[in-house]
This record gives sequence, C-alpha cells and structure tokens, in this order.
Amino acid sequence: GIQVEQSPPDLILQEGANSTLRCNFSDSVNNLQWFHQNPWGQLINLFYIPSGTKQNGRLSATTVATERYSLLYISSSQTTDSGVYFCAVESPNFNKFYFGSGTKLNVKP
Amino acid sequence: DAGITQSPRHKVTETGTPVTLRCHQTENHRYMYWYRQDPGHGLRLIHYSYGVKDTDKGEVSDGYSVSRSKTEDFLLTLESATSSQTSVYFCAISERPQETQYFGPGTRLLVL
Repeated sequence: GIQVEQSPPDLILQEGANSTLRCNFSDSVNNLQWFHQNPWGQLINLFYIPSGTKQNGRLSATTVATERYSLLYISSSQTTDSGVYFCAVESPNFNKFYFGSGTKLNVKP
Repeated sequence: DAGITQSPRHKVTETGTPVTLRCHQTENHRYMYWYRQDPGHGLRLIHYSYGVKDTDKGEVSDGYSVSRSKTEDFLLTLESATSSQTSVYFCAISERPQETQYFGPGTRLLVL
C-alpha cells in the first residue's frame, strides 16, 4: 500500500500562533483528504484536496501532487483547534484509503 | 453533518465470542467503509462496500467479515473475537470513491 508520513507527530502552540502540518505520500494518488479528530474522538473532514489550494476560514491546504506532499496551514490558532490532524490518500486502485499516523496538536490558552 | 450512526457505541466482550457492529446511514450514499483506529497506526481500512451485496477487503481484513443487505446498513462481524481486535471502530460513507468521506461517531470495543 501507499506510505503516508505526517510531520511533526506532536505540536504545542500558544493561542494565536500559526502552524504548518505536512503530509508526504509515497505514490500517485487519486484523492487526498485532511481530517480533524477532536478530543472526543469525532472525525471531521476539513478538505478534499487532490491538488491545488483551498481555504476555509483560518485553515488552508495545498497539495502538490507531482511532488507527493500536502500542507495544512492553521492561522491564529485557537484552543478548539486542539486534537489530531490526519491526512488520508486514496490509491489509484480506487476505494483503498491510507491514513497517516496524524499530528497531535495542543493549543494552549 | 452526515446522518451516520454506529451501534453499539461501547462493547466489552470475551475472547472467542462473536461480535457484530452496525453502521447505519440516512444519506443513501453508495460507498461505506469500516476502519479501525489504534495508537500509532492512524486509521486502517478493514472492508468497504460499493453497493448492496458488493464488498471488498481493505488493508487489515483478516478475522473480519462484512455484509450489506440494504443500502443504509453495513455490518462488521468478528466471528471469534481476539484481544488484538480491541480497538476503536469507525464507519464512513461517501457518495462516490473520489469524494469526501464522512465518519460515524465510532465504537469502542474491548476484548478481554
């Protein structure tokens, strides 16, 4: 299967700071998604972004498919941004999704 | 939020007993997925379904079977539970394979 590596594994921020999370993948993919898992375990889709750049409020994401990486930007972080951020990619053999191990973010007030 | 429910939400069982987890959706999405989440592994795909009675294996399918007799229900069965199957199980749905996946609330399973 496709290898998905996320960095950093852990991140501690002061409220108001900006951050960049990275996702590298080992092969061509048809689909890439970013998810946030809140401290209660709920998984929320943030972006569907196989290529290009998207923005949603304080969050934005960029995927450079030809170089096999994606970045998630969080600006002006808030305590509610805490949780684990996952990158997931879909293999060219459709329907097989592979998740990274996640970046655990802790935003302190 | 997508209408996805999972039952039970928590279960404790003993090694060797059969266990069935249910995922129910009200979105009429064609694709449904079962994942397990373990520390240090993120989420790993167990099985998925691309229509009624159409299923396929994922990355970690050994010891699990699935069934889908109706669009809205996708069942995951552990025929004989083992301690290594202690995990949090998530169901997800999507309308098409290259579109956003929406996740259910998860089921915590403890096999003693």
